[in-house]
Amino acid sequence: DAGVTQSPTHLIKTRGQHVTLRCSPISGHKSVSWYQQVLGQGPQFIFQYYEKEERGRGNFPDRFSARQFPNYSSELNVNALLLGDSALYLCASSLLWGMGDEKLFFGSGTQLSVL
Amino acid sequence: EDQVTQSPEALRLQEGESSSLNCSYTVSGLRGLFWYRQDPGKGPEFLFTLYSAGEEKEKERLKATLTKKESFLHITAPKPEDSATYLCAVQTWGSGNTGKLIFGQGTTLQVKP
Repeated sequence: DAGVTQSPTHLIKTRGQHVTLRCSPISGHKSVSWYQQVLGQGPQFIFQYYEKEERGRGNFPDRFSARQFPNYSSELNVNALLLGDSALYLCASSLLWGMGDEKLFFGSGTQLSVL
Repeated sequence: EDQVTQSPEALRLQEGESSSLNCSYTVSGLRGLFWYRQDPGKGPEFLFTLYSAGEEKEKERLKATLTKKESFLHITAPKPEDSATYLCAVQTWGSGNTGKLIFGQGTTLQVKP
């Protein structure tokens, strides 16, 4: 079975531009989470979606938004890019949500560079 | 504020030299503590989940333990292929049902042959 797939793998943008990152969860997984990982740090929670509804939001500005589609895939959108948005963006899927056993399966991420 | 701190930031071992990685946490209420392994250019790979103080879990050369304030990842007789960044994360009752994980900054382990 395929794991979590993310596209694109690498992306270069300039300040002020908009970017859309995509994620397909493991088949059967209905929950998708997004994390931002800056070089040398641990991942930081951005969003969680379950059954197409937002279930959690981290401490990120409104420039960050996401959605989940009927097939459970997800998009992360970032508007008005800043240099500080340069990071590895990770998508994770899980079978359950809110059950206290959030075993997350991560994709390989999208490396975003903002110039 | 919920916080997770890992030490050391980097660790170099000779093959076969056992050691431990530390994860200290200050949280409102621990729901679960997770260990992940991350290789360069890849996403974190799940290793263990611990739920209560005194719990232990093992997988090959790795053993994770949990107390009320910290967790240890013990590596016995490591091999070069164990080289990676090891991430500790917590899920708290204060996060409600978000499933949000709070990660430490990681420990980068290098095992030399």
